[in-house]
Amino acid sequence: DQQVKQNSPSLSVQEGRISILNCDYTNSMFDYFLWYKKYPAEGPTFLISISSIKDKNEDGRFTVFLNKSAKHLSLHIVPSQPGDSAVYFCAGRTSGSRLTFGEGTQLTVNP
Amino acid sequence: KAGVTQTPRYLIKTRGQQVTLSCSPISGHRSVSWYQQTPGQGLQFLFEYFSETQRNKGNFPGRFSGRQFSNSRSEMNVSTLELGDSALYLCASSTPTGEETQYFGPGTRLLVL
Repeated sequence: DQQVKQNSPSLSVQEGRISILNCDYTNSMFDYFLWYKKYPAEGPTFLISISSIKDKNEDGRFTVFLNKSAKHLSLHIVPSQPGDSAVYFCAGRTSGSRLTFGEGTQLTVNP
Repeated sequence: KAGVTQTPRYLIKTRGQQVTLSCSPISGHRSVSWYQQTPGQGLQFLFEYFSETQRNKGNFPGRFSGRQFSNSRSEMNVSTLELGDSALYLCASSTPTGEETQYFGPGTRLLVL
């Protein structure tokens, strides 16, 4: 049962444009959602999170939107920079500190 | 503050052996979680320890076990290694209550031959 799904394995955008990464979930028990950025052979780096009772959270160039009725969240990166190229994972949190991750989306930002 | 540290960073073992991986959380963090990342299964939750007690467990066989010490450092052990155990093993720490963010270490890359 894939509780968190990232349906786009890859996304390519031009530098300076907006990157939008999407994530769908099925588990209504998630109380927080988190986005991580990951390079190969390294641990994920935390980017931004959102509580399940909010619909938007912003931190600099990163904004996460949550649509609970659609069980959908998205991460917006504006403006996109070449250094943002990495794999992005969304995750839902349940009971304590258990995170359930999506499959990841490879973002490539072209100069 | 120092981040999450994991040792060793790389490890090569043969089938049937056992392995122990170590994780030191961020100072003040009392919850430690372990995850396995493989190309086929993605990032999967193994277990979580808090105050030396296992608080959560994922769907992994009993060959995977862990423990946490009084200083919050954690170890995970895999016995009777199989080829499919080759993976990046990640440790994450967080504050005990309410804080939603888990901070990950660099991981231990395990190769089973």
